[in-house]
Amino acid sequence: GDQVEQSPSALSLHEGTDSALRCNFTTTMRSVQWFRQNSRGSLISLFYLASGTKENGRLKSAFDSKERRYSTLHIRDAQLEDSGTYFCAAGGIASSSFSKLVFGQGTSLSVVP
Amino acid sequence: EAAVTQSPRNKVAVTGGKVTLSCNQTNNHNNMYWYRQDTGHGLRLIHYSYGAGSTEKGDIPDGYKASRPSQENFSLILELATPSQTSVYFCASGDRGGSERLFFGHGTKLSVL
Repeated sequence: GDQVEQSPSALSLHEGTDSALRCNFTTTMRSVQWFRQNSRGSLISLFYLASGTKENGRLKSAFDSKERRYSTLHIRDAQLEDSGTYFCAAGGIASSSFSKLVFGQGTSLSVVP
Repeated sequence: EAAVTQSPRNKVAVTGGKVTLSCNQTNNHNNMYWYRQDTGHGLRLIHYSYGAGSTEKGDIPDGYKASRPSQENFSLILELATPSQTSVYFCASGDRGGSERLFFGHGTKLSVL
């Protein structure tokens, strides 16, 4: 079936540094959504993209508009509160009318002083 | 922001018992979903629904039933709970057929002893 490959699986960053997470899709997708799961287990929606890029504070996400087969999440000036597990979820095969979201395995991010 | 409320937040059940997890959404979304999250598997789709009266099998439906009696409510039913169903369960809603932005509840932690 369709798969979402998320990388890296784990990441440790020092405060103030930048990094990027990536999701590759095995087929063309209509949309991508990024979540952060906090220490209490809640899934917080960060971005929803059908194309292009979106930015919110120190976070920026991009969805490859040409082939629609990968997305990135950039974290700038990492802070301790950015720690958590980040998931991407790809939605909607471009040729179908309804398709389930497919989740990546997550990136466990730890920001250290 | 869409409001998706799950109950209970925590549940301990005995093997062979019946468990019902409830989900309510107040944004009038057509689509609702039940996922489970396990270490090493990310989020996996159990059942979903297009609207009141409809239920569809997701990727891992065995051992689960679903019920969508109204637009607002979507339940997940474990008729004969087993220890392998110990997990965290998430409900979500969305409104555009698989490629839409999803809004998640806070999750239900189920332990089957």
